[in-house]
Amino acid sequence: DTAVSQTPKYLVTQMGNDKSIKCEQNLGHDTMYWYKQDSKKFLKIMFSYNNKELIINETVPNRFSPKSPDKAHLNLHINSLELGDSAVYFCASSQETQTNQETQYFGPGTRLLVL
Amino acid sequence: AQKITQTQPGMFVQEKEAVTLDCTYDTSDPSYGLFWYKQPSSGEMIFLIYQGSYDQQNATEGRYSLNFQKARKSANLVISASQLGDSAMYFCAIRRGSTLGRLYFGRGTQLTVWP
Repeated sequence: DTAVSQTPKYLVTQMGNDKSIKCEQNLGHDTMYWYKQDSKKFLKIMFSYNNKELIINETVPNRFSPKSPDKAHLNLHINSLELGDSAVYFCASSQETQTNQETQYFGPGTRLLVL
Repeated sequence: AQKITQTQPGMFVQEKEAVTLDCTYDTSDPSYGLFWYKQPSSGEMIFLIYQGSYDQQNATEGRYSLNFQKARKSANLVISASQLGDSAMYFCAIRRGSTLGRLYFGRGTQLTVWP
C-alpha cells in the first residue's frame, strides 16, 4: 500500500525523445508536486497542483508540461529531452498549501538518464 | 538568496553515539515550517521531523529531535544512539508562509555511521 508511487523508476532515453513520468498518491491529499534533484543532490521544486489546478510553476523550460487528470495523479511530460534533463525527479503530495504544517511525502523518484 | 544552509557536507559518527546535523535558515516570514528528510543510498526521501515557527517546544520523533533556536534561525537535527542504518544524506527544508507550499532545501549533509 505505497503512499506515493512513481513510474517508471528508471528511464534511459536518447536526446530529442519525448517521455512521461507518472505519479499517483493514495493518501487523499489535494496537493501534489514535482521536484528535480540534480547530480549534486540539490532538490528544487518544479510544479505544484492543488485539486488539479496549477499553483506553482517555477522557471522550468516549457518542454516540461505537468498534467493532473485528478487530484490523485500528477504526470510529467518532457518533450525534446536534453542531456541536462538527466536527474532524479520526485513526486510529492501534501494535504494543503495554506499553512506551513503540511508535510510533503515523496515518491521513490524516477532516475532519468538522457544519452 | 540561500534560504537553507547546511554547512557540513559530511559527518562521521560512531555507532551508538549522538550526532548533530546543522541547519540555518533565512526568512522574514513570521510563519514557517522546518522539515528534515533522510535520503538513504536507495534514493527515496523519507520524512523525519517537523518544527513549526510558533511551536514552543522542540520537536521529537523517537531518536530524532530538533534543536530549534528561533533567534539564531537554526534548526539542528539531533540523532541519538546512532545506528548503521542512519548512514544517509540528510536534508533540511523550509516552507515559508508566503510561498504556496514550496519546500526550499539545503544542500544536504552526508552522514556516515561506523561500527
